[in-house]
Amino acid sequence: GAGVSQSPSNKVTEKGKDVELRCDPISGHTALYWYRQRLGQGLEFLIYFQGNSAPDKSGLPSDRFSAERTGESVSTLTIQRTQQEDSAVYLCASNWAGLNEQFFGPGTRLTVL
Amino acid sequence: AQSVSQHNHHVILSEAASLELGCNYSYGGTVNLFWYVQYPGQHLQLLLKYFSGDPLVKGIKGFEAEFIKSKFSFNLRKPSVQWSDTAEYFCAVKITDKLIFGTGTRLQVFP
Repeated sequence: GAGVSQSPSNKVTEKGKDVELRCDPISGHTALYWYRQRLGQGLEFLIYFQGNSAPDKSGLPSDRFSAERTGESVSTLTIQRTQQEDSAVYLCASNWAGLNEQFFGPGTRLTVL
Repeated sequence: AQSVSQHNHHVILSEAASLELGCNYSYGGTVNLFWYVQYPGQHLQLLLKYFSGDPLVKGIKGFEAEFIKSKFSFNLRKPSVQWSDTAEYFCAVKITDKLIFGTGTRLQVFP
C-alpha cells in the first residue's frame, strides 16, 4: 500500500479483556516497529522485527504484551488482560533494513475502562 | 540508559516569530538524529534528519537543525513560524535499530 496502515483506529475495551492491534507495513519494507505513546509522554519503543531474524522484544513492558509478524507482512500486537495503564496510542512504523527513516502509521488509540 | 530530553513542553508563538526547540540526548556513540512532526489529526512525519557531514541540516517547510556533538544537542529552528506550523514536534535518536524519542513539544502559533 501507499503507507503504513493500522486497525482499528480506536479500541475501547474493559479491564481484563484481551485486545489485538494490527499493522500493515509498506509493501517491501523488511523492518517493522511498534511504539506506544501514553498521554503526555514520548513514544516508547516496544518491539522490532527485521526480516526472519528473532524480534527485539526489549521494549515490551510485561509478559502480557506480545507481537507476531508473518514474514515481511502484517504484524499483530496482542495485549492480554488489559489494564488501565495500557491506555495509549499504539504506533507502528516500517522501513527497509539500512534505511534510517521510519514511516509511521496513524496509530490505534486504545482505551481501557 | 539512553534518553532524549526536550526542554520545552509547550511553546506559544505569534506568526513570524522565530522558533528554537531544544533537544539533548545522552549517548556517547555515533548517533543518527531526527525531528518528527505530528500535525493535528495526522501521522508522524519526518521533518529532517542528520546522519553525518554538515551539522546544519535543512528540512521541509523552512525548518533546520544543528547538531552540536560537544553539547549532545540537536536543536530545531525556524526563523519565522506560520500558523500552519502548529503541531507536536518530537526529537529522536536512532541507536542500533531503535528510535529513542523525546516527550515532544507542543507548538501553538497564533495569527
